[in-house]
Amino acid sequence: KQEVTQIPAALSVPEGENLVLNCSFTDSAIYNLQWFRQDPGKGLTSLLLIQSSQREQTSGRLNASLDKSSGRSTLYIAASQPGDSATYLCAVPTGFQKLVFGTGTRLLVSP
Amino acid sequence: NAGVTQTPKFQVLKTGQSMTLQCAQDMNHNSMYWYRQDPGMGLRLIYYSASEGTTDKGEVPNGYNVSRLNKREFSLRLESAAPSQTSVYFCASSLGTGNSPLHFGNGTRLTVT
Repeated sequence: KQEVTQIPAALSVPEGENLVLNCSFTDSAIYNLQWFRQDPGKGLTSLLLIQSSQREQTSGRLNASLDKSSGRSTLYIAASQPGDSATYLCAVPTGFQKLVFGTGTRLLVSP
Repeated sequence: NAGVTQTPKFQVLKTGQSMTLQCAQDMNHNSMYWYRQDPGMGLRLIYYSASEGTTDKGEVPNGYNVSRLNKREFSLRLESAAPSQTSVYFCASSLGTGNSPLHFGNGTRLTVT
C-alpha cells in the first residue's frame, strides 16, 4: 500500500529565506507527483505536477524535483514571503487518477 | 470562471439524519472525485467518477453514496449520518488524462452530533 510522508510537519522561517519541503513515498511505481497548497478554510490549489519522465518542474519561485528511485520529492521555495504561508501537500497516484496524499507541511513565513 | 463549486459550505446534522453534498464544475472535466480531510489523516478518497455515467469506490466508501448526474455535477449522499462522518469534504475534478492536475472546491465542513 502506497504511503506518503511529509517532513517536517511544521516550519517557521523569516521572510526572505530559501526553504525545502520534503515528500517521500513507499512505492516508486508512480507516473507523476503533484504538489498542492492549502490556505486555511480553503480547498487545495495545484502548484506543480511532475511527470515520471521529468526530474524537475518550475513555476516562478517554486521548484519541485522528483527522484523515483529513492522515493523522494522536494519542493524548493526561493525568497519566501509572508504570502507563502499555507499548508503544502504532496500526492501520488495509485491506479488511474486516485491520489494518495501526505499529511502536509504547515509553513509560516514571518515578516 | 467559478471552477469547482460546492454547496453547502457548512452543515450540522444529528446522528441518523441524511443529506446530500452538491458539487459542480464548469471546466468541462471528465473525472470528478470526493475526498474527506481529517486532522492527522490527510485527504482520503471516498468515491470517484472517471467519466460521465461511471462511479467507483475509493479508500473509504462505507456510509456514502454518489451520483454523477451529468458531466458537470457529482453529488455525495450520507443516508444515515454518524459522528465518525464529521469531517471536511472536498470535491475535485480533472480532465481525466493520466497527467492532468486536480482542481478542488473550497469544501463543506460537516459536523454530526
